[in-house]
Amino acid sequence: DTGVSQNPRHKITKRGQNVTFRCDPISEHNRLYWYRQTLGQGPEFLTYFQNEAQLEKSRLLSDRFSAERPKGSFSTLEIQRTEQGDSAMYLCASDVGELFFGEGSRLTVL
Amino acid sequence: QKEVEQNSGPLSVPEGAIASLNCTYSDRGSQSFFWYRQYSGKSPELIMFIYSNGDKEDGRFTAQLNKASQYVSLLIRDSQPSDSATYLCAVNTDTGNQFYFGTGTSLTVIP
Repeated sequence: DTGVSQNPRHKITKRGQNVTFRCDPISEHNRLYWYRQTLGQGPEFLTYFQNEAQLEKSRLLSDRFSAERPKGSFSTLEIQRTEQGDSAMYLCASDVGELFFGEGSRLTVL
Repeated sequence: QKEVEQNSGPLSVPEGAIASLNCTYSDRGSQSFFWYRQYSGKSPELIMFIYSNGDKEDGRFTAQLNKASQYVSLLIRDSQPSDSATYLCAVNTDTGNQFYFGTGTSLTVIP
């Protein structure tokens, strides 16, 4: 499978725990994006990388959210001290002019 | 003001009719415009993109762009029940490196 891969696909956690999501983009795509999507809403831009450089992170929802792409290949999105309001689908995408999305990681915070 | 605005619907059309979906955007410098389809529980998938003013046709789909009015639309001809989904409008910023989405329009095609 040469598409964008995300894992885990589903994560259930208790409030206050930390969670980490991983994204493996399409191999030749240099840009990688993270979005959050809640029910009935469109994808909400969080951050993006060009290779290993994080070029925009002002849209991360709070300082509990952080993302890395250490070697310019896969990326991780971490949410610390999760809150119930963090429950959402977290989508990763990579692009060469148009976005290709992974299947998403659904987070449920109890 | 949000970067991309869409009528959330829901929009219902009978099978075989034309479905018309609309989108406006705020950044006048935006260069590229995309329509994505999203089935319930799935991730968005690209239907088509448009860069230049005017119409672009791809099968049953036609995208229309009017940069002066900051308006993008998607027409679906001969609508099928399988077209029932949420349609997301996305805009690529002037820098070309950020994509912003509208809230989506829910379309139901009634057999």
